[in-house]
Amino acid sequence: GESVGLHLPTLSVQEGDNSIINCAYSNSASDYFIWYKQESGKGPQFIIDIRSNMDKRQGQRVTVLLNKTVKHLSLQIAATQPGDSAVYFCAEISGSARQLTFGSGTQLTVLP
Amino acid sequence: DTEVTQTPKHLVMGMTNKKSLKCEQHMGHRAMYWYKQKAKKPPELMFVYSYEKLSINESVPSRFSPECPNSSLLNLHLHALQPEDSALYLCASSAVGLAGANEQYFGPGTRLTVT
Repeated sequence: GESVGLHLPTLSVQEGDNSIINCAYSNSASDYFIWYKQESGKGPQFIIDIRSNMDKRQGQRVTVLLNKTVKHLSLQIAATQPGDSAVYFCAEISGSARQLTFGSGTQLTVLP
Repeated sequence: DTEVTQTPKHLVMGMTNKKSLKCEQHMGHRAMYWYKQKAKKPPELMFVYSYEKLSINESVPSRFSPECPNSSLLNLHLHALQPEDSALYLCASSAVGLAGANEQYFGPGTRLTVT
């Protein structure tokens, strides 16, 4: 079946640097995408979302980019902080049931 | 209140036990979900309730039995589980019927260990 996946399972960045987490999706019918952050021992926490009719959306220190031509989604975190260390999942929503499908996740580690 | 609560936080049960996981939300959401998450893996959808009715069952074994007694509560009844069922069980809720606006709010999960 169709799936959402990530290019890199782990990412280490220096504190203060920018982070970029990538995600490839294959369901061209998906019309809504979400990035979730999951810290150890906690449930996934919503970070930012983007509709398929947009190519960029900015939040506080985070930006999501969507390239529908190559079915690619990315999350940019500016001035990465120790509290940003977590697993990041991209997820897509499609169909009338609005079912959420998660990608495989990227472990972000922020180095001091 | 954007919180989804789950109890218990941790649960250890034997393969012959019967236990229940509980989830509660007061955001007025009419869709509620159960996910299973193994270590270092993404959450996998198990069940979806919409307006208190089961709308999706992702071929989950019958030893897992969901229940939605009202619009705020969601239970997962467990019976005769196997050690491979050990995982983090996540509950989530969302609004229904708004195209695209289906952000799911997740609870902290119940860490289940089957011995």
